[in-house]
Amino acid sequence: DADVTQTPRNRITKTGKRIMLECSQTKGHDRMYWYRQDPGLGLRLIYYSFDVKDINKGEISDGYSVSRQAQAKFSLSLESAIPNQTALYFCATSDPKGGARPQHFGDGTRLSIL
Amino acid sequence: EDQVTQSPEALRLQEGESSSLNCSYTVSGLRGLFWYRQDPGKGPEFLFTLYSAGEEKEKERLKATLTKKESFLHITAPKPEDSATYLCAVQGEGNTDKLIFGTGTRLQVFP
Repeated sequence: DADVTQTPRNRITKTGKRIMLECSQTKGHDRMYWYRQDPGLGLRLIYYSFDVKDINKGEISDGYSVSRQAQAKFSLSLESAIPNQTALYFCATSDPKGGARPQHFGDGTRLSIL
Repeated sequence: EDQVTQSPEALRLQEGESSSLNCSYTVSGLRGLFWYRQDPGKGPEFLFTLYSAGEEKEKERLKATLTKKESFLHITAPKPEDSATYLCAVQGEGNTDKLIFGTGTRLQVFP
């Protein structure tokens, strides 16, 4: 089983709809992240959470919200989807111990907004 | 502003033809530079962390090196299964856990 699981893997929806993307992890990491990936722009950070009570905005948080339901679960919501939110979305986790640590990614959600 | 630039954008190699991918970076106090591999339809897969200039890491046909301004990912005698997009990311002193990613190099290795 994957250490970082994202659901759904693919989603097509219409402008104005509310959408929730879910992420769960079995790595036991405290820190979790949401990124979006667009062609030519690379991965950009939307939100990150250092623990259940610590949630922070990334560089492109407008139009998104998050919920950290437990250490292992971190959800991303689009309250009213718009076409320019069409992208690949990735969840990641990291272990804060010991300095600069790599982030470990799920396999992503491909989101299309019509 | 922290920034990462990768080159080339795309690279086509014949099987066995060695080459290098470049990652140039600007960051306020480097805490770590990370290399990832990304296959189509998958998330980035962690390869290496480099912490200071002069450091090198190796894994099979891949070798990553680091200077104060750039990192190279050397691919020796590549095979078709090495085809993927390779991403570079940096973490700076003032950015806690935030990673700044480059846009990647798409590598294709032909038999």
